[in-house]
Amino acid sequence: AQTVTQSQPEMSVQEAETVTLSCTYDTSESDYYLFWYKQPPSRQMILVIRQEAYKQQNATENRFSVNFQKAAKSFSLKISDSQLGDAAMYFCAYRRRQGGSEKLVFGKGTKLTVNP
Amino acid sequence: NAGVMQNPRHLVRRRGQEARLRCSPMKGHSHVYWYRQLPEEGLKFMVYLQKENIIDESGMPKERFSAEFPKEGPSILRIQQVVRGDSAAYFCASSPDNTDTQYFGPGTRLTVL
Repeated sequence: AQTVTQSQPEMSVQEAETVTLSCTYDTSESDYYLFWYKQPPSRQMILVIRQEAYKQQNATENRFSVNFQKAAKSFSLKISDSQLGDAAMYFCAYRRRQGGSEKLVFGKGTKLTVNP
Repeated sequence: NAGVMQNPRHLVRRRGQEARLRCSPMKGHSHVYWYRQLPEEGLKFMVYLQKENIIDESGMPKERFSAEFPKEGPSILRIQQVVRGDSAAYFCASSPDNTDTQYFGPGTRLTVL
């Protein structure tokens, strides 16, 4: 079974600085998706960024970028120029590409605090 | 295009009562997923449905829990005879097909007294 591990329960960053959140996963599949979701205090799950495993190029979305290391099964999220609105729980998630059930497997999350 | 809708947002039930949670997927989405989030935990998959069919219910408890996604109307997650351990946030997500990104609703927070 696939598992997703986020080893940092909490992280903090100063406003305007850069922070990196870690995520590792375990799978025997070769084709899959990886995601970072943000959950602010409103509890709404918001998609931050998505990576397809067959793509070598790291995904970027404005101030958010990933470092995808397929061989190491690592998928870290870098937030540049951190803003107060970035404060939230961040969840890393895995999804198999093929097959009849495309459920997401989530890590336990990292709580990010942004200090003014 | 309206997002995924869930109602109610908050639901309080006493032990032994039934809870019904509703999810309306985004327009054009025929795949619905239900997840449960316990306090201080990530989301855990419960069930995956397409219109009128349950595709994968491997994450759903065998007793008291059921889900449906009828041809017309929202998807329903039903919990019979609720217990305190059912208290959690229940999220619904939808996608247009089973290889695309899942978009989440705002969740229903169930509290069992």
